[in-house]
Amino acid sequence: NAGVTQTPKFRILKIGQSMTLQCAQDMNHNYMYWYRQDPGMGLKLIYYSVGAGITDKGEVPNGYNVSRSTTEDFPLRLELAAPSQTSVYFCASSPTSQNSYEQYFGPGTRLTVT
Amino acid sequence: KQEVTQIPAALSVPEGENLVLNCSFTDSAIYNLQWFRQDPGKGLTSLLLIQSSQREQTSGRLNASLDKSSGRSTLYIAASQPGDSATYLCAVENAGNMLTFGGGTRLMVKP
Repeated sequence: NAGVTQTPKFRILKIGQSMTLQCAQDMNHNYMYWYRQDPGMGLKLIYYSVGAGITDKGEVPNGYNVSRSTTEDFPLRLELAAPSQTSVYFCASSPTSQNSYEQYFGPGTRLTVT
Repeated sequence: KQEVTQIPAALSVPEGENLVLNCSFTDSAIYNLQWFRQDPGKGLTSLLLIQSSQREQTSGRLNASLDKSSGRSTLYIAASQPGDSATYLCAVENAGNMLTFGGGTRLMVKP
């Protein structure tokens, strides 16, 4: 049981390049999330998904796209990288529950755009 | 819009001290509040989750309280150890399964 995995761990992009951050979970969780964390700050929600085929915007979605074709995978796409997207990106998942539930986080991807 | 504030931003204490970390939020209509630990360069580890109907949760040397009406939560760490050094984040869940995070408290416990 690997939990939430993210690849790559580090990446440097040039302005205008594109890339996909990968996220996978093996806990059969329906809910998945993408956050970004800027230095010295808390996390901000980019996009989330409540199940395969369903995605929705969070607080800071501009410049990003997501897809959810399977329960396990939730990739985050950056189409035209900008310096403002330099950040640490965290993926998280949580189970479906009528009660409150914990979110389980991946180790993060550190992205630098220069 | 929910806003979450954590005070202090940084804290340094000698080993063995009991300490309190504070978290406040502006919208009291929350489903739950969660405390996380983050080690440098690592992801987040959930420490405690308090549902909106609860007043506190305990795990080992950690105790978290929630006062929803006043928009406050505290994380109490008893008999602090150098291994407790990390950043502690609180987050509240409002409607839509979304967490709003505070900026965190960086804790250093000196031997």
